[in-house]
Amino acid sequence: QSALTQPPSASGSPGHSVTISCTGTSNDVGGYHYVSWYQQHPGKAPKLMIYEVSKRPSGVPDRFSGSKSGNTASLTVSGLQADDEADYYCSSYSGDNTFGVFGTGTKVTVL
Amino acid sequence: EVQLVESGGGLIQPGGPLRLSCAASGFTVSSSYMTWVRQAPGKGLEWVAILYTGGSTYYADSVKGRFTISRDNSKNTLSLQMYGLRAEDTAMYYCARDSPYGDYDACWGQGTLVTVSS
Repeated sequence: QSALTQPPSASGSPGHSVTISCTGTSNDVGGYHYVSWYQQHPGKAPKLMIYEVSKRPSGVPDRFSGSKSGNTASLTVSGLQADDEADYYCSSYSGDNTFGVFGTGTKVTVL
Repeated sequence: EVQLVESGGGLIQPGGPLRLSCAASGFTVSSSYMTWVRQAPGKGLEWVAILYTGGSTYYADSVKGRFTISRDNSKNTLSLQMYGLRAEDTAMYYCARDSPYGDYDACWGQGTLVTVSS
């Protein structure tokens, strides 16, 4: 099972927005409504930011939003803050045979 | 407070066994999808194993036949028994109340480092 494709890096100025893409196939992203997004600060455990494409767990600011079109999912971070600087990974359910796959990860830099 | 604390990592020689444990508090392990996720140094995340509430399990191809995920309901703990360890198994191993389906109440431990080297 190949990892989902994400851009290696993305950046934006404080207060602005950044959007990260996550491209898979019809066997994962395109085939299921189970796309999640994780934020990981250096040396820390990943934190779930979005699940089921666009839902936010309790405590996650509404500055974080998710969407999906075809085989590509996206995470948008609006109103960028310094603490948003981190690595972001997408994940998708991929059926009973392989059950799950992560993206390659995107390093977000707040300029 | 919901919390997961992993233990059992360390330096192990290739081919050796190692057992990781994950102590849960604030919730019941048997009532949640529980997974192990690993991250090799400087690399991305990989789903390793999942234990469903009904007891069924799933493993990544890279560990199938070598790793076993289990839970002890009496101790409210999750375990990962690893055999035949290889250099490529070197990684930080995270225990998580989470799955590729997503979990609105996801919780991850801080991880335990496994280093496979002679």
